[in-house]
Amino acid sequence: GEDVEQSLFLSVREGDSSVINCTYTDSSSTYLYWYKQEPGAGLQLLTYIFSNMDMKQDQRLTVLLNKKDKHLSLRIADTQTGDSAIYFCAEYSNDYKLSFGAGTTVTVRA
Amino acid sequence: GAGVSQSPSNKVTEKGKDVELRCDPISGHTALYWYRQRLGQGLEFLIYFQGNSAPDKSGLPSDRFSAERTGESVSTLTIQRTQQEDSAVYLCASSTQGLAFFGQGTRLTVV
Repeated sequence: GEDVEQSLFLSVREGDSSVINCTYTDSSSTYLYWYKQEPGAGLQLLTYIFSNMDMKQDQRLTVLLNKKDKHLSLRIADTQTGDSAIYFCAEYSNDYKLSFGAGTTVTVRA
Repeated sequence: GAGVSQSPSNKVTEKGKDVELRCDPISGHTALYWYRQRLGQGLEFLIYFQGNSAPDKSGLPSDRFSAERTGESVSTLTIQRTQQEDSAVYLCASSTQGLAFFGQGTRLTVV
């Protein structure tokens, strides 16, 4: 089966880096995603990585994938108050299943 | 369209009534998913459609829930005889080549 796990809460000071971690179990995952959900809003696709990649960088965002350990992380550099949100890790496997973690609530403090 | 569109955005219904939620996917997206998100919780998979294949209904919580999709177009999620525990945000996503995009959701409140 597909289980995606992530820590529930992260508090970070404005200007520092945030690192959100996720583990998954389905070795057939082809894509791994990070979604951002702001209060009262839907899920916004933040970034994604193909399973044959180790790293992807997109402006302040860096995604690292350790396929051997089935570990995915999202680093947000220079965290801003607008980064306060819930971040969901998700995996997409060959059978078209899209499975989500429970979400990490990131709180940015001044 | 430009994105996934869901309607209504908010729905308040009386316990025992039926409700129908609509999702308009991004044109050309072959896959469509429905999820439920209860307040303060993560996403609970309900059902997905992939092209003309039989849908995966394994996440539907009871036989009061059903969903339809005609081809690669609009999908409707129907909840019959609504209960208070059905109160949640219902999210729809459409996908192509593995990239899934979500609508803004329908907030359902059963009173």
